[in-house]
Amino acid sequence: DQQVKQNSPSLSVQEGRISILNCDYTNSMFDYFLWYKKYPAEGPTFLISISSIKDKNEDGRFTVFLNKSAKHLSLHIVPSQPGDSAVYFCALRELNDKIIFGKGTRLHILP
Amino acid sequence: KAGVTQTPRYLIKTRGQQVTLSCSPISGHRSVSWYQQTPGQGLQFLFEYFSETQRNKGNFPGRFSGRQFSNSRSEMNVSTLELGDSALYLCASSGTRGGANVLTFGAGSRLTVL
Repeated sequence: DQQVKQNSPSLSVQEGRISILNCDYTNSMFDYFLWYKKYPAEGPTFLISISSIKDKNEDGRFTVFLNKSAKHLSLHIVPSQPGDSAVYFCALRELNDKIIFGKGTRLHILP
Repeated sequence: KAGVTQTPRYLIKTRGQQVTLSCSPISGHRSVSWYQQTPGQGLQFLFEYFSETQRNKGNFPGRFSGRQFSNSRSEMNVSTLELGDSALYLCASSGTRGGANVLTFGAGSRLTVL
């Protein structure tokens, strides 16, 4: 049973516009929510995180929003750049420190 | 500071064989986690080791095992390989950043089972 769902396998966005990646989860036993980015032939790299006690965290072009009542997490990238083309994984940390990943969304930034 | 190092990067095995993958974490990191990445399933958690003890375990069969040494280096072993074990195996060590334990991944070991 999948606890972390990224329902869009892929997303295409025009360069300069906003990219919005979504993630839904099914239980509330998580204390941190994270986003990772992965290029081909490389391991995932950490992008941004948010604590369960907050609803927004911003770092440059990246903003993560957490809606606990809806069990929904989103990553906004604005403006989108060609180098943002990658696979994005949301990841949730359980209270025992185990980190569970979604299946990923492939983002294509179009010129 | 050196990153997470995984060896070998690529390997090919046949069904029924066994394989051992190695991971050297970032210096000072005591936790090492292993994940399996396949195209349809994303990153699936295998297990986590902390100070030579398995702290968490995913839902993989007993053919998948691991261990951690006193210098925090870790190995994972897969016995009696099956075609479905073909995947990218990622190792990550963790440190704390702003309260979240952030995983730093290696480049992975790509296993092909024929």
